[in-house]
Amino acid sequence: DGGITQSPKYLFRKEGQNVTLSCEQNLNHDAMYWYRQDPGQGLRLIYYSQIVNDFQKGDIAEGYSVSREKKESFPLTVTSAQKNPTAFYLCASSSGQYNSPLHFGNGTRLTVT
Amino acid sequence: DAKTTQPPSMDCAEGRAANLPCNHSTISGNEYVYWYRQIHSQGPQYIIHGLKNNETNEMASLIITEDRKSSTLILPHATLRDTAVYYCIVRGGGSGGYQKVTFGTGTKLQVIP
Repeated sequence: DGGITQSPKYLFRKEGQNVTLSCEQNLNHDAMYWYRQDPGQGLRLIYYSQIVNDFQKGDIAEGYSVSREKKESFPLTVTSAQKNPTAFYLCASSSGQYNSPLHFGNGTRLTVT
Repeated sequence: DAKTTQPPSMDCAEGRAANLPCNHSTISGNEYVYWYRQIHSQGPQYIIHGLKNNETNEMASLIITEDRKSSTLILPHATLRDTAVYYCIVRGGGSGGYQKVTFGTGTKLQVIP
């Protein structure tokens, strides 16, 4: 089945460590996205990528970094510079057409202590 | 992308129609209206989208006003499994701007037995 895979589902890290969240899609989609969700809040856009080797900052990019070396993969690194990294992280993709919906993974819940 | 406004919460009796409103008064001519829903701790699920005509699929109906400044998502016979947060977003435009997809805080729908 085609879809988006985020791993792991739960991730625990010590403060001061960088951590990379995985996002893989087999939908042959051009565009990919990372969102952050805090308890009781909506989704906030961190980074997005329209094509391979290109990506743009979203609304809350500080303390995060991404790469897009392959069409299928869009990993997100939460760096030690991110002040409040504990959150639910969601990855999504779309075909890139402006009238195409986003498809979401089931998220990674990151806890930093 | 145009901003959307939704009520923070709504209740609906099981078996009745759930009508979820969304205001998007600054929508531009080439922007689509999309609806997603998110069940607790999962990724958002695409429901339906439309440009200016009313749309219906197996999950819901979307009614867009003639001036396109607001829309209503209709779940015709709500079940307990429809309890979720529903997000209305607008998306479209040229020059790649459509790829910056932003979400608000949505409407929490509680279906009551």
